[in-house]
Amino acid sequence: AQRVTQPEKLLSVFKGAPVELKCNYSYSGSPELFWYVQYSRQRLQLLLRHISRESIKGFTADLNKGETSFHLKKPFAQEEDSAMYYCALRSYNTDKLIFGTGTRLQVFP
Amino acid sequence: DTEVTQTPKHLVMGMTNKKSLKCEQHMGHRAMYWYKQKAKKPPELMFVYSYEKLSINESVPSRFSPECPNSSLLNLHLHALQPEDSALYLCASSQVQGGGTEAFFGQGTRLTVV
Repeated sequence: AQRVTQPEKLLSVFKGAPVELKCNYSYSGSPELFWYVQYSRQRLQLLLRHISRESIKGFTADLNKGETSFHLKKPFAQEEDSAMYYCALRSYNTDKLIFGTGTRLQVFP
Repeated sequence: DTEVTQTPKHLVMGMTNKKSLKCEQHMGHRAMYWYKQKAKKPPELMFVYSYEKLSINESVPSRFSPECPNSSLLNLHLHALQPEDSALYLCASSQVQGGGTEAFFGQGTRLTVV
């Protein structure tokens, strides 16, 4: 079975502080991992995908298969990063895309 | 065009009504999804269509009936809903199977059952 766990419901930091949003997954096959973000009153949109190993808006995430984790990191948080962040898993051989419970990031000035 | 368009944006319906939610995309995506999202909760997968065929039904009650008439359209037919079905219904689309392909989401239909 596929499962995604995000242990923190809320993460509050001050501007300029480092941020790490945790994500752990459970899946027996080859997973595709994503981070989606939902800014206030906007639609859900992709932030990062593990397969491209890119940095978007200063965020990075590394897939650790040994620890079954895909934590999202940013060295210096900005106020505009305040949003809801969802870790998502898609199985490689089906189109089933499921989401973790989400972490709300609040960045204070 | 990288948008997924959902109509209507808001819908209020009685428990005896029949209504439909519509979703459209023109990105050539052959996987389309319906999600249900309650307030302060994550999107919960309901249905997946791959190549216009229903591939995943997450044990959704039969009062929700999906339909994919062609590769660009996805409908969700609603009948005899309960007040607890009130939620934001999200449609999404993506390329099929693998490659780390992005799912694009619509703005959602906010459904209230009275």
